[in-house]
Amino acid sequence: QVQLQESGPGLVKPSQTVSLTCTVSGGSISSRDHYWSWIRQPPGKGLEWIGYIYFTGTTYYNPSLKSRVTTSMDMSKNHFSLNLTSVDAADTAVYYCARVSRHSNRFDPWGQGTLVTVSS
Amino acid sequence: DIQLTQSPSSLSASLGDRVTITCRASQSISTYLNWYQQNPGKAPKLLIYAASSLQSGVPSRFSGSGSGTDFTLTISSLQPEDFATYYCQQSRTTPLTFGQGTRVEIK
Repeated sequence: QVQLQESGPGLVKPSQTVSLTCTVSGGSISSRDHYWSWIRQPPGKGLEWIGYIYFTGTTYYNPSLKSRVTTSMDMSKNHFSLNLTSVDAADTAVYYCARVSRHSNRFDPWGQGTLVTVSS
Repeated sequence: DIQLTQSPSSLSASLGDRVTITCRASQSISTYLNWYQQNPGKAPKLLIYAASSLQSGVPSRFSGSGSGTDFTLTISSLQPEDFATYYCQQSRTTPLTFGQGTRVEIK
């Protein structure tokens, strides 16, 4: 079955860029039936959709983060990535990647998540 | 953006209890509504999609209903592994949004 695994730095300084990668196994990110998404969850709080990317390179971002977010895909490595620029303490969160069914916009499965802490 | 409001924010229940969580959307979303379960320190897990379809592998004690703006998630007989936080998510349009969560605790 499809599995996703996030990787990236656990600690980032304010104003810097956080870069995360999600490696997919058991399936291909070139699937025509799926988007590949990022979601975050600040400690003790709810879930926020960041955006997703399709195999064509088409992206959809949450307007609340759009000016600071870019996503990309590497088909040869079967992974996709997130860059979030100009981070501050409010960006401290567990970042999840997930597969999204293109026709129903449901998230399944999810990666285990990676905690990113923004602190000097 | 479509806002989702869950109620209650938390509840206490006993093993074997029937539990109902509601999710109200700020505008009609037809049946574009999904439910997730999140245990502490874990990623969310899809339970119900399209308002009432049970995800493969999810126990049949979980059920969903509703359309338009009002939806419910029901657990027919609460089991130990069901004590968790539950989120609804609208899949009608981007930005995709989640409810604030409902925490189910042991009474």
